[in-house]
Amino acid sequence: EPEVTQTPSHQVTQMGQEVILRCVPISNHLYFYWYRQILGQKVEFLVSFYNNEISEKSEIFDDQFSVERPDGSNFTLKIRSTKLEDSAMYFCARQGASSADTQYFGPGTRLTVL
Amino acid sequence: SQQGEEDPQALSIQEGENATMNCSYKTSINNLQWYRQNSGRGLVHLILIRSNEREKHSGRLRVTLDTSKKSSSLLITASRAADTASYFCATDANDYKLSFGAGTTVTVRA
Repeated sequence: EPEVTQTPSHQVTQMGQEVILRCVPISNHLYFYWYRQILGQKVEFLVSFYNNEISEKSEIFDDQFSVERPDGSNFTLKIRSTKLEDSAMYFCARQGASSADTQYFGPGTRLTVL
Repeated sequence: SQQGEEDPQALSIQEGENATMNCSYKTSINNLQWYRQNSGRGLVHLILIRSNEREKHSGRLRVTLDTSKKSSSLLITASRAADTASYFCATDANDYKLSFGAGTTVTVRA
């Protein structure tokens, strides 16, 4: 299966700064997801994205978060004003034509908010 | 919540032994997926079992699913040191997201 890649692998930022996490390259897949994993905790669903629209979002995905696919390939997660508690691993995942298909995860971006 | 919950939380075995971990969930699912995560790394998909399936095999992995009990098990046979990792079950209720459990940490001693 084609791999999901994410950039950067590690991002360090100051509290209050904006960060953009990228999932590249993506092609021929309809469903995309962002998840996060705070150190030592469960993987948590953030948002699903289908046909260039948000399908579902969790309570974590508040107004500070946004997703887009600006150029038809990159899939980005933006955090407008980071908080200390946003420090986590952020995973992008892709899925095939059916929502019943396997979700393949990228290697993750480790976000550290200071 | 229909999150999967794994049992045990941690498992330590000798190389060559089998490792079994269980996952329970709360609501109806479309499928259940097992993932492996090495420390600080990404999630590697292991196997997907659909709600109408009872057992699947992939190499040294065997997954069972009992929808009447809302539970699944993952068996790793003839374990190797490289199997040392955390293992997660994730349930898909066909609602565009996976719900993960807390994971089982497996340590395989040489």
